Amino acid sequence: EADIYQTPRYLVIGTGKKITLECSQTMGHDKMYWYQQDPGMELHLIHYSYGVNSTEKGDLSSESTVSRIRTEHFPLTLESARPSHTSQYLCASSEWQGGTSGGHEQFFGPGTRLTVL
Amino acid sequence: QKEVEQDPGPLSVPEGAIVSLNCTYSNSAFQYFMWYRQYSRKGPELLMYTYSSGNKEDGRFTAQVDKSSKYISLFIRDSQPSDSATYLCAMSDPGAGSYQLTFGKGTKLSVIP
Repeated sequence: EADIYQTPRYLVIGTGKKITLECSQTMGHDKMYWYQQDPGMELHLIHYSYGVNSTEKGDLSSESTVSRIRTEHFPLTLESARPSHTSQYLCASSEWQGGTSGGHEQFFGPGTRLTVL
Repeated sequence: QKEVEQDPGPLSVPEGAIVSLNCTYSNSAFQYFMWYRQYSRKGPELLMYTYSSGNKEDGRFTAQVDKSSKYISLFIRDSQPSDSATYLCAMSDPGAGSYQLTFGKGTKLSVIP
């Protein structure tokens, strides 16, 4: 079944630790995104990729980094976690097909809730 | 002024009611409009997708886009307790050269049995 997966779902970690949040999709999409979401706030785009070896920073400044070595895999890394990184991180993917039939819609994973102590 | 405005609620309705959720936007270049449903501690789930103006119906859900007023709506008929969630509107401009979405803050809906 085509889907988008995120692991771990919940992570509690101490300050200064290096963490990697995993995101994989089996939807065959070429575009992938990372969002940060705090309670009651909008989703903020922090990274996106339109294909292998292509990554860009989003609107919200983030100390995290991403890589896109394989089409289906888009991990996010924090080299040194801080309490200010506590948030929900959402991964999404999309496939632009042109015209009016669709493609701009994004499909989301279940999210990783990160708590940095 | 934010590009997309959405009343965060919370909105509380009795089971069976018709629910109306709305967003306004300022960027006239937006052409694609989406509604997502997000349950607590889950990722957003795509509910409806529309292109340009008009209506689209899917079961109990109807999405409306009025580009002249820069206003989009989601109607839920015969609301159920399982509809209790946060509803996010999102939109994009195909001419911007990107595939990014601009989201509203979301409206929290509770349907009371």
